[in-house]
Amino acid sequence: EAQVTQNPRYLITVTGKKLTVTCSQNMNHEYMSWYRQDPGLGLRQIYYSMNVEVTDKGDVPEGYKVSRKEKRNFPLILESPSPNQTSLYFCASSLSLNSYTEAFFGQGTRLTVV
Amino acid sequence: AQTVTQSQPEMSVQEAETVTLSCTYDTSENNYYLFWYKQPPSRQMILVIRQEAYKQQNATENRFSVNFQKAAKSFSLKISDSQLGDTAMYFCAFMKQGGGSNYKLTFGKGTLLTVNP
Repeated sequence: EAQVTQNPRYLITVTGKKLTVTCSQNMNHEYMSWYRQDPGLGLRQIYYSMNVEVTDKGDVPEGYKVSRKEKRNFPLILESPSPNQTSLYFCASSLSLNSYTEAFFGQGTRLTVV
Repeated sequence: AQTVTQSQPEMSVQEAETVTLSCTYDTSENNYYLFWYKQPPSRQMILVIRQEAYKQQNATENRFSVNFQKAAKSFSLKISDSQLGDTAMYFCAFMKQGGGSNYKLTFGKGTLLTVNP
């Protein structure tokens, strides 16, 4: 089954404790991206990646890091989480940069930083 | 930069009736895509319908249709014969065509639709 898998689905952590949210897709997609969803703000892009070892900032990258060492994986890293990073996070992937293909979303990760 | 505005934070409709969700956007691009996504309580993001800006014909998918007015930069979603399972948050989204290096989706703030029995 074609899918984007995020882990964990829920996470409660403390301020300053490094964490990683994993994202993996099994569709050989080139393009992957992270969004955060906050009430009243919709979804905003954090980082994106065009392919292996190619990543760039989205609209709200502060406090986040990403890596793309393999095509299928695109982890989101919070080196020192803060309460303002409490949010719902989505990973998304799509096939090609050259023409439109549907974006597939993961099931979301609800992160709470206390 | 593109912006997407959904002016209705919440709406409600009776089962079997028709409801229209509004969306306006601002862009200087000529070629782009517009989308409506549904997010039920499960949080999953589900693509409802897509419209290519170069197409004059409005997209339809079963009970879902759009009214795309390119000159007015308006993209409303009509849901006919509303069902209880349509209860969800609906997001309008924009994506530049031929995105260059970033196929970013720009989302509106969402409209929470409740279908009442």
